[in-house]
Amino acid sequence: EAEVAQSPRYKITEKSQAVAFWCDPISGHATLYWYRQILGQGPELLVQFQDESVVDDSQLPKDRFSAERLKGVDSTLKIQPAELGDSAMYLCASSLVGGVSFFGQGTRLTVV
Amino acid sequence: QKEVEQDPGPLSVPEGAIVSLNCTYSNSAFQYFMWYRQYSRKGPELLMYTYSSGNKEDGRFTAQVDKSSKYISLFIRDSQPSDSATYLCAMSEGDDKIIFGKGTRLHILP
Repeated sequence: EAEVAQSPRYKITEKSQAVAFWCDPISGHATLYWYRQILGQGPELLVQFQDESVVDDSQLPKDRFSAERLKGVDSTLKIQPAELGDSAMYLCASSLVGGVSFFGQGTRLTVV
Repeated sequence: QKEVEQDPGPLSVPEGAIVSLNCTYSNSAFQYFMWYRQYSRKGPELLMYTYSSGNKEDGRFTAQVDKSSKYISLFIRDSQPSDSATYLCAMSEGDDKIIFGKGTRLHILP
């Protein structure tokens, strides 16, 4: 069964260091999302891609976060420098139609 | 008023009971209605989705959409301890922008 692949599953980093997450969406899904989820809350959209173009990055803290999807397939989300408040689950999802999305298993980030 | 409202729970029910999970929304333009199940420390898993209104059934799960009341429900029949998780509702107008509820924590008591 097709699924969204994310790596790494877990990441511990020191504050002020750089960290990167990778996502490979389901084949053929043009829309790709990065979310941040804090325990007990719903996912919060960071950035949405349609193919290689950014559709919505209004909630992305652009002073420290960046995201790219150069060939319109896999994507990377980077944080530099990481702050303690960035500790959260980072989720990638992809969608074929209507926003009906399939999620990866997420990357749990701990900043120490 | 938030676009999507969902009671965070926790909701505790005995094994075998019928569970009813609900969300209300304010945007009448929503067309796609989704339910996700999320286990601790895992990504959300799409359980069901409905386009426009009506009911959809899949095994022990039934999703209902009442657009006149702006109210959606997920029913779980013959609940099992393995159903214990957080359930998220989500909606979109069809333009790929998704609005999530905050999730309801469900505990099925053996």
